[in-house]
Amino acid sequence: EIVMTQSPAILSVSPGERATLSCRASQSVSSNLAWYQQKRGQAPRLLIYGASTRATRIPARFSGSGSGTEFTLTISSLQSEDFAVYYCQQYNNWPLYTFGQGTKLEI
Amino acid sequence: QVQLQESGPGLVKPSETLSLTCTVSGYSISSGFYWGWIRQPPGKGLEWIGNIHHSGSTSYNPSLESRVTISVDTSKNQFSLKLSSVTAADTAVYFCAAYTGSYRPFDYWGQGSLVTVSS
Repeated sequence: EIVMTQSPAILSVSPGERATLSCRASQSVSSNLAWYQQKRGQAPRLLIYGASTRATRIPARFSGSGSGTEFTLTISSLQSEDFAVYYCQQYNNWPLYTFGQGTKLEI
Repeated sequence: QVQLQESGPGLVKPSETLSLTCTVSGYSISSGFYWGWIRQPPGKGLEWIGNIHHSGSTSYNPSLESRVTISVDTSKNQFSLKLSSVTAADTAVYFCAAYTGSYRPFDYWGQGSLVTVSS
C-alpha cells in the first residue's frame, strides 16, 4: 500500500498571503497525484490532477508541483473562500487509491 | 453534467450489513467511467473503499475487502455498496464518486450520506 503523508496538519495564514501545502508518498507515484478541497459539510472538489494540471473552473491562484514522492500545492494570495481542508490522493497504484490525512487551512 | 446522489438507511445496527445506493444522472453508467465509494468518519480524513467499472470489474481497499461488495445495475443507472458486519468504527459519511478512465482521480462526487452504526 502506498502511504500518503501531508504536512502540516494545520496551517494558519492570513487572507492575501501565500499558502504552501506538502504531500509525500511512501514510494514513487510518478505524476499521478491529485489535490482536493473540502469545505465543511461538502463533498471534496477536485483542484489539481497530474500533479500540476488545474481541473475545470479552478482559479489560477491554485498551482501544483512535484513528481515521484514529493508534491506541493500552492495557493497564492489566499481568498476567504479558500479556507478549507485539502487532501492529496495518489492514483498511480490504480485501481487502488489512497488519500493523505489532510491539511486544514485556517485563518 | 454528471450528478450522483447517495441513498440508504442512516442508521444500521452493529453486526448488520450497511447498504447504500448511488443514483447517477446526466450520464449512462453503461457508457463507461468508473464508479466508486469513499467514506469519511466524523472529523477525520477520506478513506477509499472501492471502485467498479460498468463491465462489473471491481477493486477494493485491502483493509475492507473481506466485508465489501460493490455492484452495478445498469438498468436503473445505479451502483451500490454493501459493507457487512459493521461496527461503530464504520460510522461515517459515505460518498459515491466517479472518474472518467484508468489512472484518473475522482472527477465527480455525490453530496454524501451519513451512516451511523448504533444499537
